[in-house]
Amino acid sequence: KNEVEQSPQNLTAQEGEFITINCSYSVGISALHWLQQHPGGGIVSLFMLSSGKKKHGRLIATINIQEKHSSLHITASHPRDSAVYICAVTTYNTDKLIFGTGTRLQVFP
Amino acid sequence: DVKVTQSSRYLVKRTGEKVFLECVQDMDHENMFWYRQDPGLGLRLIYFSYDVKMKEKGDIPEGYSVSREKKERFSLILESASTNQTSMYLCASSPLSEIAKNIQYFGAGTRLSVL
Repeated sequence: KNEVEQSPQNLTAQEGEFITINCSYSVGISALHWLQQHPGGGIVSLFMLSSGKKKHGRLIATINIQEKHSSLHITASHPRDSAVYICAVTTYNTDKLIFGTGTRLQVFP
Repeated sequence: DVKVTQSSRYLVKRTGEKVFLECVQDMDHENMFWYRQDPGLGLRLIYFSYDVKMKEKGDIPEGYSVSREKKERFSLILESASTNQTSMYLCASSPLSEIAKNIQYFGAGTRLSVL
């Protein structure tokens, strides 16, 4: 079993829909990261959080430490949001990341 | 802005060739990482380095070696490329942090095909 599990693996949506991607982890963490990878490969960091909720534009990330679960929400989705979204965690006393396998999102006009 | 530059976007090599993948970062970061990314498996850590001439094995180091002679440059070496090393390779860097929550900055990736 992977230490970081994401669901769903693939997601399609119509433009304007509200999107939720889930991440569960089984290890103790110091932080959780949400990353975005566009076609072509480059990865950018969207959020790093260790508690509560963060918002950036139409993106919202939440984390529940007790339940070892995080969600990434996209409001009013747009075709340019189409990408792979990756959840990753850093464990205590390490700078290494443990990655989920990613969620491929396609938003159609 | 942090810039992590990988020397090639696409590379085609033959089985048995020695392959060098180069990564350079311009933010004086201490930590540098090499990952490979395969469908259904996500990103897996090959090697990382937290200082010049320092290296540590990641989760899948077999068949790879690394070199960090200068702080800004971290090279991944495939001594004798094999077809199962066909993959997307991603380099990342991050600053040393007191609380190990730092963000990693990724290069654009090198898609390597070994024929």
